[in-house]
Amino acid sequence: ETGVTQTPRHLVMGMTNKKSLKCEQHLGHNAMYWYKQSAKKPLELMFVYNFKEQTENNSVPSRFSPECPNSSHLFLHLHTLQPEDSALYLCASKGQGASYGYTFGSGTRLTVV
Amino acid sequence: QQPVQSPQAVILREGEDAVINCSSSKALYSVHWYRQKHGEAPVFLMILLKGGEQKGHEKISASFNEKKQQSSLYLTASQLSYSGTYFCGTLTYNFNKFYFGSGTKLNVKP
Repeated sequence: ETGVTQTPRHLVMGMTNKKSLKCEQHLGHNAMYWYKQSAKKPLELMFVYNFKEQTENNSVPSRFSPECPNSSHLFLHLHTLQPEDSALYLCASKGQGASYGYTFGSGTRLTVV
Repeated sequence: QQPVQSPQAVILREGEDAVINCSSSKALYSVHWYRQKHGEAPVFLMILLKGGEQKGHEKISASFNEKKQQSSLYLTASQLSYSGTYFCGTLTYNFNKFYFGSGTKLNVKP
């Protein structure tokens, strides 16, 4: 366990479904992130939250909708996804300051059919 | 802006050494190194903040050449447990963007 917990670990959804990914951390970090990891591609930053406020949206399509109700929880709401959205979605948290590294969750393996 | 890692993949025998390089076209403030085993979360190994800095984590160490805008990760006397994909991540001086490299897949065989 890394201290960042993601559920579910695996998700298969149809293109018309609505589902949500959940991330939880109790490390006392105030910054939380969503990353997308596709085969043979670098980790792609999707969203950044600092102290519950969204500070970055990396041109992510609106079919992905993040929510951060508090500093410990982060959600990614999914609707009308496309097959090319199939990937590993990683949540991460980080302490304040440039000297801290990211703590990642184990990810949700998403398959869109 | 994304750092370039080399090599993309390397196969080693147990006990052999390896070097993974990470270079950027931008001036860097810091470099991170992570390792991800198959089906697991990427794990933070170390961060280098100053040019010329070197750090170690067990038999894994790294250096940061600020002027050359690059970092190298050194794996000494590799063990089977070192297998995985190694990522560097770079933060540029304006602190605006952090990018991960594409990863280097390391396979250590008995």
